[in-house]
Amino acid sequence: GAVVSQHPSRVICKSGTSVKIECRSLDFQATTMFWYRQFPKKSLMLMATSNEGSKATYEQGVEKDKFLINHASLTLSTLTVTSAHPEDSSFYICSARGRDRGPEKLFFGSGTQLSVL
Amino acid sequence: LAKTTQPISMDSYEGQEVNITCSHNNIATNDYITWYQQFPSQGPRFIIQGYKTKVTNEVASLFIPADRKSSTLSLPRVSLSDTAVYYCLVGEDYGGSQGNLIFGKGTKLSVKP
Repeated sequence: GAVVSQHPSRVICKSGTSVKIECRSLDFQATTMFWYRQFPKKSLMLMATSNEGSKATYEQGVEKDKFLINHASLTLSTLTVTSAHPEDSSFYICSARGRDRGPEKLFFGSGTQLSVL
Repeated sequence: LAKTTQPISMDSYEGQEVNITCSHNNIATNDYITWYQQFPSQGPRFIIQGYKTKVTNEVASLFIPADRKSSTLSLPRVSLSDTAVYYCLVGEDYGGSQGNLIFGKGTKLSVKP
């Protein structure tokens, strides 16, 4: 199957700093990428949808100025958590949609555990 | 937007067959049914996708009745490593709206020795 690489896998930062998470599709062009966050023992919550070359579409309740998403190319999307606070601590997961890949058309990264002190 | 309902948890023993059923009463004509597996601190992993009847791959089978209002993921002879959360998603073949990408609560499967 296709590979989506997400980095870093874990990050610890101080409150008030910004953190950037990268999501790359390694062997296919991803016209759309999605960002989720997941709290312990909870399901994935869609935060935003990112289309290459255009502004991301955020889900209701997600602050676009807090969670900056950039999808500059067909293989890279980034999520920047600005001025992170302890309540932003969570597991963030990206996924990318591929074309003509058979039944599996949505591929997930391995996730990033963010801990804000 | 087709909402899905799954059991919150299931227990099984090694070597048994496990069947997890997902209800999706308002599934639309263009919707597919896809199952994902997620281990702690990892991203979801695709298991199987189907539209109707039965689909089988090397890891699972998916049974979909004629009315398509439910589906059953069947895992043959589970092992301890199959302990995970299993999500059922219903939506267009990822060519459509964001609604395809809404995860339900999932089913936490615990396999015991």
